[in-house]
Amino acid sequence: QAGLTQPPSVSKGLRQTATLTCTGNSDNVGSQGAAWLQQHQGHPPKLLSYRDNNRPSGISERLSASRSGNTASLTITGLQPEDEADYYCSAWDSSLNAWVFGGGTKLTVL
Amino acid sequence: EVQLLESGGDLVQPGGSLRLSCAASGFIFSSYTMNWVRQAPGKGLEWVSSISGTGGTTYYADSVKGRFTVSRDNSKNTLYLQMNSLRVEDTAIYYCAKALGDSEYWGQGTLVTVSS
Repeated sequence: QAGLTQPPSVSKGLRQTATLTCTGNSDNVGSQGAAWLQQHQGHPPKLLSYRDNNRPSGISERLSASRSGNTASLTITGLQPEDEADYYCSAWDSSLNAWVFGGGTKLTVL
Repeated sequence: EVQLLESGGDLVQPGGSLRLSCAASGFIFSSYTMNWVRQAPGKGLEWVSSISGTGGTTYYADSVKGRFTVSRDNSKNTLYLQMNSLRVEDTAIYYCAKALGDSEYWGQGTLVTVSS
């Protein structure tokens, strides 16, 4: 099952803005929307956003998600040291009847 | 408070079997699709299987189809994953996850190691 495409790494400075991308196709991201997860080393993933731009309670307002066609984006403003983590996108693929994940982006805050 | 507690992970030889469990609390278990997602050491997330709230509908990744079986007991608020014909490449942390893409929540995971 083909996965979603994410850049392997992104590096930004403290208090800068990072935008992470996730590209799928019309069977997954384009029609079903995407979710974003954050995973710190040694911990389980944590939901940051779902169905493109819905943020669960308790998630920082510095994080916002959006989608344009088959590409979803996660923007983190005012980067803090605790934002350094792996970020994954996911979506249901209606053609495969399967959940697909991106390979993950390692965000480094310099 | 939502809690998901996985158990059953172990060291097993190739070709062996293992049954994972995920005990759920803090939400109406039978109302939610439940999922298994795994993560090999140093690798990304890989979806394994999903089961609907009633248990009537199941989905599997191609990599485990025919070897793994997902089930649930709504009277015990517990999700299961029966893993047969295990391979070295099945080595991973197996996470139980509630409602992927919605009110999503992940357990802490249980480690399965397949090695001779």
